[in-house]
Amino acid sequence: NAGVMQNPRHLVRRRGQEARLRCSPMKGHSHVYWYRQLPEEGLKFMVYLQKENIIDESGMPKERFSAEFPKEGPSILRIQQVVRGDSAAYFCASSPLTSGTDTQYFGPGTRLTVL
Amino acid sequence: GENVEQHPSTLSVQEGDSAVIKCTYSDSASNYFPWYKQELGKRPQLIIDIRSNVGEKKDQRIAVTLNKTAKHFSLHITETQPEDSAVYFCTYAGGTSYGKLTFGQGTILTVHP
Repeated sequence: NAGVMQNPRHLVRRRGQEARLRCSPMKGHSHVYWYRQLPEEGLKFMVYLQKENIIDESGMPKERFSAEFPKEGPSILRIQQVVRGDSAAYFCASSPLTSGTDTQYFGPGTRLTVL
Repeated sequence: GENVEQHPSTLSVQEGDSAVIKCTYSDSASNYFPWYKQELGKRPQLIIDIRSNVGEKKDQRIAVTLNKTAKHFSLHITETQPEDSAVYFCTYAGGTSYGKLTFGQGTILTVHP
């Protein structure tokens, strides 16, 4: 039973480029969460999605960031026109969410470096 | 808004000693309190969780206590081992934080052999 998958594991972009991060939830999980972790800090919630729906995007910057979780395929976190401050580890987690507080299982993360 | 204070930020113990990490949260409607362990460069991994209908839960050397009145919850690790060295995060969900986890700042635990 594969866990949460994320790719790429490492991503290097120059300022102004686009970064596209992918997350495949665990089998049977239809809810995905994205978190950002700056160096030596805790994880900060960004967005919570179900298939084809954004449930809560209160933690996502209003500009340059977008997320989707299509009916088929992985969830994608997209960062347009990256800046150095976007350098961080981006983790996604998934849950079956039958109760609203189900356990979230994390992927290995994508480490984004903006040059 | 949602907030959780975690203490201490660093904790150094000798192998075999106990370690205690404490957290205080703000949303009184929260009802799910998981703890995650993160080793350097790795993903957060769930080590134990507790729901608001119980006050204490134990799993071998790890225990968690919850005081909903005071909005405190704590992680206790007994008989610590060097492989327990990692960053530990308290989190909570439920209430106004439906679905999403709010993380504490983390505690760097170092267990000296």
